[in-house]
Amino acid sequence: GQQVMQIPQYQHVQEGEDFTTYCNSSTTLSNIQWYKQRPGGHPVFLIQLVKSGEVKKQKRLTFQFGEAKKNSSLHITATQTTDVGTYFCAGFGGTSYGKLTFGQGTILTVHP
Amino acid sequence: ETGVTQTPRHLVMGMTNKKSLKCEQHLGHNAMYWYKQSAKKPLELMFVYNFKEQTENNSVPSRFSPECPNSSHLFLHLHTLQPEDSALYLCASSGLAQTDTQYFGPGTRLTVL
Repeated sequence: GQQVMQIPQYQHVQEGEDFTTYCNSSTTLSNIQWYKQRPGGHPVFLIQLVKSGEVKKQKRLTFQFGEAKKNSSLHITATQTTDVGTYFCAGFGGTSYGKLTFGQGTILTVHP
Repeated sequence: ETGVTQTPRHLVMGMTNKKSLKCEQHLGHNAMYWYKQSAKKPLELMFVYNFKEQTENNSVPSRFSPECPNSSHLFLHLHTLQPEDSALYLCASSGLAQTDTQYFGPGTRLTVL
């Protein structure tokens, strides 16, 4: 079945440093979504990428979708302590409706 | 955010108990989902319901029994669980288009003794 791998599993940074998490799918995706889960919270939708090679920005966050639509990345510029949490990518590529496949997530810790 | 609510927020149960988790969405969505999130595994999709009909059962043990009486409510009935079933159980809802995002509830933290 479809697999979505996400690396790294953990990332510790000093406040102000940049951060990147990568997502790779075993199959071509029709779209990819990114979610953030704060400690003790639940996943909250950040953004969706649909087009090959698409790049979207949200303030300090930059999201990319690969040309082959099998990989994606999330880059945070100049991290802040409010960025802490787990970042998940989730791909939809199957025929079963609603069957998003989530990556294992990257846990980001930001040291002040 | 109160679009998707879940009760209870915390639950401790013995292996012989029977309990139910409840999820309610106020977003007008027609698809609802149960996910399991444990420390060792990423978000695992358990069940998918579209218009009250179950469209996905991701090889979930029969000790978990879902129920969807209408598009706004989703239940997860639990019986004879195992300690390894302890996890955060998340409910989500969405529209029916492929590009629709999923909105998650706060989850129920389940501990099986």
